[in-house]
Amino acid sequence: DVKVTQSSRYLVKRTGEKVFLECVQDMDHENMFWYRQDPGLGLRLIYFSYDVKMKEKGDIPEGYSVSREKKERFSLILESASTNQTSMYLCASSLDYRGPHEQYFGPGTRLTVT
Amino acid sequence: AQTVTQSQPEMSVQEAETVTLSCTYDTSESDYYLFWYKQPPSRQMILVIRQEAYKQQNATENRFSVNFQKAAKSFSLKISDSQLGDAAMYFCAYRSGLGGGADGLTFGKGTHLIIQP
Repeated sequence: DVKVTQSSRYLVKRTGEKVFLECVQDMDHENMFWYRQDPGLGLRLIYFSYDVKMKEKGDIPEGYSVSREKKERFSLILESASTNQTSMYLCASSLDYRGPHEQYFGPGTRLTVT
Repeated sequence: AQTVTQSQPEMSVQEAETVTLSCTYDTSESDYYLFWYKQPPSRQMILVIRQEAYKQQNATENRFSVNFQKAAKSFSLKISDSQLGDAAMYFCAYRSGLGGGADGLTFGKGTHLIIQP
């Protein structure tokens, strides 16, 4: 079974702190994604990566950066956390080929910025 | 840019009954994929069913089936014989078929499905 894990289920940080959210997948997937989930808004893509050290902006990259130094690990970084970044963050991974392959999701990290 | 619309924020159905969740999308692409994902309370998002746009036949997975109307850009999910374990948020999602697979998903806002015992 594919497993995508995230470093924390719940996280509370203060405004202005630098925040790292970690995601690890164990299925040698090329692609990894970070989404943000807010009630009434669904999931929105922040960043994705299709290879080590490669990254692409999604729909809402402002205020975020990412790092992918190893194939299995994809980190989301909030350089200076703000209250409007309080949200549920979901990591996902997938194989890289054309076709209806699914994305496998982690359990999510609920981040509260106070 | 593609958009996905789920017009039903919440649906309720009696156990063992059938329910249909609606999804419409907007795209100018001809090659794409559509998905329904399920997110149970406090649990991970999992894939329910998928559809390739070039396939006319509607996808089916056990009690779950879709009604894919390409011209109308509609992709509804039918759940037959509803069970208590079907209670969840359901998200409709779109992915472009143009890329090699690295494209992110575009999600609708979700439908909260309640199963009444």
